[in-house]
Amino acid sequence: ELKVEQNPLFLSMQEGKNYTIYCNYSTTSDRLYWYRQDPGKSLESLFVLLSNGAVKQEGRLMASLDTKARLSTLHITAAVHDLSATYFCAVDEDGNKLVFGAGTILRVKS
Amino acid sequence: DSGVTQTPKHLITATGQRVTLRCSPRSGDLSVYWYQQSLDQGLQFLIQYYNGEERAKGNILERFSAQQFPDLHSELNLSSLELGDSALYFCASSPEGYEQYFGPGTRLTVT
Repeated sequence: ELKVEQNPLFLSMQEGKNYTIYCNYSTTSDRLYWYRQDPGKSLESLFVLLSNGAVKQEGRLMASLDTKARLSTLHITAAVHDLSATYFCAVDEDGNKLVFGAGTILRVKS
Repeated sequence: DSGVTQTPKHLITATGQRVTLRCSPRSGDLSVYWYQQSLDQGLQFLIQYYNGEERAKGNILERFSAQQFPDLHSELNLSSLELGDSALYFCASSPEGYEQYFGPGTRLTVT
């Protein structure tokens, strides 16, 4: 059974600082997604990572995938308040379902 | 806006009742997925339909059932509701094997 672990589960950071969220998964998959969720809202797709070594960047967020280590990272550069949200990684299990991590609650303090 | 629509947005009902949640996928997407998000269980996959056929099943209770109609919209039926069924229910759609796009969700409160 595929398991997805995210850490940290809660992250409080100052504006302007850098930090990384980690996502480990237990079985082979070469398709991983990062989503953002604001309180009470839907899931907004941030990144789709489809192969080993994939790296994608959008604004202050950069995601990478190492399929051999079964690890993805979401790096936040020079955080701003607007990035406060919950971030989920999700691993595609056999193309039929996503298995989600527990989520990382990010609070950026000004 | 993902293009996936869900109705209703909010639903409040009593224990023991039955409700139906509706989802319309993005135009052209044949796959529909249902997920439940609760504080204690997190985001969990419930069931997937592809072009009217059940494709995959997750941790879906026997009291829950779903179907996908010829026009590709889907309904999730929840019966004999319990307090623990209170959650956000998301529908997602995708072209087969590709990225899933999530709808706005239905918040179900069971009192």
